[in-house]
Amino acid sequence: AQSVTQLDSQVPVFEEAPVELRCNYSSSVSVYLFWYVQYPNQGLQLLLKYLSGSTLVKGINGFEAEFNKSQTSFHLRKPSVHISDTAEYFCAVRAGSARQLTFGSGTQLTVLP
Amino acid sequence: NAGVMQNPRHLVRRRGQEARLRCSPMKGHSHVYWYRQLPEEGLKFMVYLQKENIIDESGMPKERFSAEFPKEGPSILRIQQVVRGDSAAYFCASSPPYDTNTGELFFGEGSRLTVL
Repeated sequence: AQSVTQLDSQVPVFEEAPVELRCNYSSSVSVYLFWYVQYPNQGLQLLLKYLSGSTLVKGINGFEAEFNKSQTSFHLRKPSVHISDTAEYFCAVRAGSARQLTFGSGTQLTVLP
Repeated sequence: NAGVMQNPRHLVRRRGQEARLRCSPMKGHSHVYWYRQLPEEGLKFMVYLQKENIIDESGMPKERFSAEFPKEGPSILRIQQVVRGDSAAYFCASSPPYDTNTGELFFGEGSRLTVL
């Protein structure tokens, strides 16, 4: 079975500073990896995904993530955050032939003025 | 192209009542997934359905919970005899019927159940 660990439950950061949200996964088979964002009282929106190929993946709103197979990580980064980036961020994995995604517990990013 | 539609967005029930949550997948999608998000927690997989078939219900509680996705109409998640611990946001997601090799799920806005 696969699992996802998001190491930080809360990440406060000042506006225009860089941010990294950490995600590690565990799986015995090949994986697809995803980052979703959830704004208050809304559903989940896809930020980016890794399926294959280049390990550096660029997504919407200036976010990017790097797949590191040896470290089983898929950390999310943004070089300069905005107030509007304040939200909950979820890392998710789809392993092998499974159709459903397994989610981490989420990281609340709070951007401070 | 409408996204995944869930209703009701908010539902209040008293203990012992039944809750029915509906989900219409995106146009052209025939796979539906239900997830539950408890306060301050991540999303937990409950069940995966195709039209008229339950494919994986490994995340469903053994009692009181059931799901269906009929040939016509929306998918329904049914919770009988609700208890306070059922209070949560229930999210539906959908995906296309063929393997597009993306694995991406498209989520609705969620149904927030409050049990008094």
